[in-house]
Amino acid sequence: GQQLNQSPQSMFIQEGEDVSMNCTSSSIFNTWLWYKQDPGEGPVLLIALYKAGELTSNGRLTAQFGITRKDSFLNISASIPSDVGIYFCAGQKTQGGSEKLVFGKGTKLTVNP
Amino acid sequence: DSGVTQTPKHLITATGQRVTLRCSPRSGDLSVYWYQQSLDQGLQFLIQYYNGEERAKGNILERFSAQQFPDLHSELNLSSLELGDSALYFCASSVGLTPGTDTQYFGPGTRLTVL
Repeated sequence: GQQLNQSPQSMFIQEGEDVSMNCTSSSIFNTWLWYKQDPGEGPVLLIALYKAGELTSNGRLTAQFGITRKDSFLNISASIPSDVGIYFCAGQKTQGGSEKLVFGKGTKLTVNP
Repeated sequence: DSGVTQTPKHLITATGQRVTLRCSPRSGDLSVYWYQQSLDQGLQFLIQYYNGEERAKGNILERFSAQQFPDLHSELNLSSLELGDSALYFCASSVGLTPGTDTQYFGPGTRLTVL
């Protein structure tokens, strides 16, 4: 199925460092979403972006909806050990009267204390 | 806690068998979505129901079917199971009213192992 190009695939950082990850697509999306998934759990919504160019923060997390509507990035500042997990981007668009969600393959984040 | 519940949490079965996964959406949500997550395919959208009716289909096999009941809970039926069906199955729910701003909230998932 269709997927987004998410990078990097994995990151190993030291506690306190900033992190940046992004997603690109050849398709236009109406909404970009960023989720975090812990092992054995479901994805948890972190940030939702609804307008091209929108920059939204949620605590130490900041995400932007690209102007072209084909990309988005997520930044995490001053990382802490509990930031460990897999981060997924998702693009959402209305197709045939329903909302379709397409996911990136995830960025696995490891934070060394 | 997203408010979406899924049962069972784990399911182990044999090839050729049939299983049913259950999902209860968040209170007030009318839409239910089913996803499959495997190591090689990532998260894949299977099917969506809105207020009891099928709304959209994704990469769902013919051996799989789903339904949404009047109380809005949903069931995903997987039959003639194969080894490759082993995966995490997630349910998500949303209000289902406003395209473009209708955020999906995910349940904790059911881990299916086919031996």
